[in-house]
Amino acid sequence: GEDVEQSLFLSVREGDSSVINCTYTDSSSTYLYWYKQEPGAGLQLLTYIFSNMDMKQDQRLTVLLNKKDKHLSLRIADTQTGDSAIYFCAAAFTGFQKLVFGTGTRLLVSP
Amino acid sequence: DAGVIQSPRHEVTEMGQEVTLRCKPISGHNSLFWYRQTMMRGLELLIYFNNNVPIDDSGMPEDRFSAKMPNASFSTLKIQPSEPRDSAVYFCASSRGMNTEAFFGQGTRLTVV
Repeated sequence: GEDVEQSLFLSVREGDSSVINCTYTDSSSTYLYWYKQEPGAGLQLLTYIFSNMDMKQDQRLTVLLNKKDKHLSLRIADTQTGDSAIYFCAAAFTGFQKLVFGTGTRLLVSP
Repeated sequence: DAGVIQSPRHEVTEMGQEVTLRCKPISGHNSLFWYRQTMMRGLELLIYFNNNVPIDDSGMPEDRFSAKMPNASFSTLKIQPSEPRDSAVYFCASSRGMNTEAFFGQGTRLTVV
């Protein structure tokens, strides 16, 4: 079946790198996404990666994909207090666009 | 474009009452999703539509929940009768189609007392 799992919580200090991890079960997933949710707001797409890619970099964000292990990670360089939010990993599975989300990782950045 | 528009932003209702949540997707998007977010269960996909047709409603909790999409620019999620355990934030999202990003509305925070 389709399942996406994440760790629930991550705490880092300002200026450090943050790495948020995600695993998914269905190898047929084609696109993998990272969304950010700030308090009281909806989800905003941060970045995404095609399943035929290993890595994607976008400014401070680096996404790594290990298809063999079905493992996805999001690295945030030079983490700022404004990066404190919940980060969701999501996988799009074959067929119609059905996004399955992980439980979200709450990132807390302390000064 | 104004993005995905949901209404109301907040709804407080008494147990047993009917609740209707509304969503206007982004113009030109042909996929629409309803999600529910709670502390206990995270973000759950309730139902999604493609070209106004419900494709998968396996996430709908029970018969008290129903969703419609009468046209490409409007969808509703109805709960009748509502119960306190339905209290959550309900998100609507739309996308242009297969394998494209989903854009989320601001959500409707529902409180059933």
